[in-house]
Amino acid sequence: GDSVTQTEGPVTLSEGTSLTVNCSYETKQYPTLFWYVQYPGEGPQLLFKVPKANEKGSNRGFEATYNKEATSFHLQKASVQESDSAVYYCALGDRGNTRKLIFGLGTTLQVQP
Amino acid sequence: EAAVTQSPRNKVAVTGGKVTLSCNQTNNHNNMYWYRQDTGHGLRLIHYSYGAGSTEKGDIPDGYKASRPSQENFSLILELATPSQTSVYFCASGVNSDYTFGSGTRLLVI
Repeated sequence: GDSVTQTEGPVTLSEGTSLTVNCSYETKQYPTLFWYVQYPGEGPQLLFKVPKANEKGSNRGFEATYNKEATSFHLQKASVQESDSAVYYCALGDRGNTRKLIFGLGTTLQVQP
Repeated sequence: EAAVTQSPRNKVAVTGGKVTLSCNQTNNHNNMYWYRQDTGHGLRLIHYSYGAGSTEKGDIPDGYKASRPSQENFSLILELATPSQTSVYFCASGVNSDYTFGSGTRLLVI
């Protein structure tokens, strides 16, 4: 079945340093790929999505490129801030009727001032 | 503002008891979903719905039922709650896999 594997956390960084969270996926379909972010006490919220291979998505300084050949969708940010501390989920989306999402296990990011 | 509202926010239930988790959306989305979130397992799909009157099994449906009486409301029902169902439950509504999640219900089964 479909699956998503991402960097195990927690990841602890100092403000101003760069971030990479690895994400790889397995599926027989051609999915849309997503990054969701979850802050404490809240539900996950969409960071951005990329429906097409070889394209890049971005939001709030985060970005990821849909690499269909490598089946990867790594999240990057050049300079993290304390407010970026959260759990980040990579997900693949079914293009069929269900439109269901398959999530990775999540990566906790802690940014120290 | 479009939203997904879950109730209750916290719930303590007794083993063997019946639990109903409620979800209401004002997004007018056809699709709604119930996930549970557990450390080491991430978010896993329990049930989903295409619209009023429809419910479908997700990846981990055992021990759960769902009900979609209207476009706005989607409930998750635990007929006989067990301690293994202690978790945080999230409801979402979505279109094209763009989900809006609720804030979650924290369920403790003792």
